Amino acid sequence: AQKITQTQPGMFVQEKEAVTLDCTYDTSDPSYGLFWYKQPSSGEMIFLIYQGSYDQQNATEGRYSLNFQKARKSANLVISASQLGDSAMYFCAMRPGGTSYGKLTFGQGTILTVHP
Amino acid sequence: NAGVTQTPKFRVLKTGQSMTLLCAQDMNHEYMYWYRQDPGMGLRLIHYSVGEGTTAKGEVPDGYNVSRLKKQNFLLGLESAAPSQTSVYFCASSYSGRRNTEAFFGQGTRLTVV
Repeated sequence: AQKITQTQPGMFVQEKEAVTLDCTYDTSDPSYGLFWYKQPSSGEMIFLIYQGSYDQQNATEGRYSLNFQKARKSANLVISASQLGDSAMYFCAMRPGGTSYGKLTFGQGTILTVHP
Repeated sequence: NAGVTQTPKFRVLKTGQSMTLLCAQDMNHEYMYWYRQDPGMGLRLIHYSVGEGTTAKGEVPDGYNVSRLKKQNFLLGLESAAPSQTSVYFCASSYSGRRNTEAFFGQGTRLTVV
């Protein structure tokens, strides 16, 4: 079974500063994918970034980067130059390889508040 | 592109009533999923489907039924609603079950059972 743990219920950051949202995972599968989603107050789920278990380099997408430490089973999201629009709930999720049928396992989420 | 559309967006039910949530996707995706979101628990998988005519149980299937009669639609039913089913429900779809495939989510349905 897979498990995702996000230990920060809430985080605060000053506008234009960087912030790291923590995510640790547990799985026995050697093949898996890690995702981060953003959920603004309007409620929709927005895909941010993906990291594969076999990827040698950390994923980056614009201001988002994923600090992937496979041995420590962590996949932290780094948001650089925070903006007011980054205030939202952030979810870390994992999708195993093999015959898992693409089922995503989510963490509890972290609420990020960006202060002006 | 519409993507994944959920109907309705909001609903209030009385305990014991039944209802069906509709999920429709226009991306020709094979895989579809129903999740529920509760505070402090993230999203949990209720049921899923890997193709037309197939369904399977997820992590929290009790009290729910699903059907996938058409590839583009995935219905979630509550036969006798309970207050514990008060939640936000999300439908998602993806073209495959591979680990690197993005899942696309609907806007969510906020259900309150009183």
